Amino acid sequence: RKEVEQDPGPFNVPEGATVAFNCTYSNSASQSFFWYRQDCRKEPKLLMSVYSSGNEDGRFTAQLNRASQYISLLIRDSKLSDSATYLCVVNPPRSARQLTFGSGTQLTVLP
Amino acid sequence: GAVVSQHPSWVICKSGTSVKIECRSLDFQATTMFWYRQFPKQSLMLMATSNEGSKATYEQGVEKDKFLINHASLTLSTLTVTSAHPEDSSFYICSAIDRVVASTDTQYFGPGTRLTVL
Repeated sequence: RKEVEQDPGPFNVPEGATVAFNCTYSNSASQSFFWYRQDCRKEPKLLMSVYSSGNEDGRFTAQLNRASQYISLLIRDSKLSDSATYLCVVNPPRSARQLTFGSGTQLTVLP
Repeated sequence: GAVVSQHPSWVICKSGTSVKIECRSLDFQATTMFWYRQFPKQSLMLMATSNEGSKATYEQGVEKDKFLINHASLTLSTLTVTSAHPEDSSFYICSAIDRVVASTDTQYFGPGTRLTVL
């Protein structure tokens, strides 16, 4: 089983739509959780950290369910510029700072 | 904000040659840098953790004699792909942790180096 699993998509949605991505992780002792976005042929960029209480940053909402080992990202009012691959990232317990990346979910927002 | 650069941004080489990739933290000191590799349509895979002044720690399945890592200063880590072969063609990305804020999980990523081995 992969340490971090995501639905690869692709998700093709119209502008203004709401889209949700899900992610599961295998190690229950994982410490920190993040969503990154990666544009084609570019480095990943931190979108937001994910906290147990859930957190929101503008149109983006992240949720963490430790009991189910499940992380989600909700994007409201999708923009064309949201088109990218969204990576679910987990900080495993074996190291304080190493990151384990999911394979990513590809999103295309259509005009 | 913290900036990490990589050089070269892309390189094409012949099979059997060695290629050196540099990762620099431009406005901060990095005690720890990470090297990742990403094949097309796959995720980033951690290759090794590079600590300034000590030997790198390699992930399982990554040959340390093939991927030489040197972290000689607090702002520079290098990855040398020795005797490169076509299967080494990939996107190599480094990241760095700011020494001053090392207690956080924030990693700053370089823009990546695309290696093509003919």
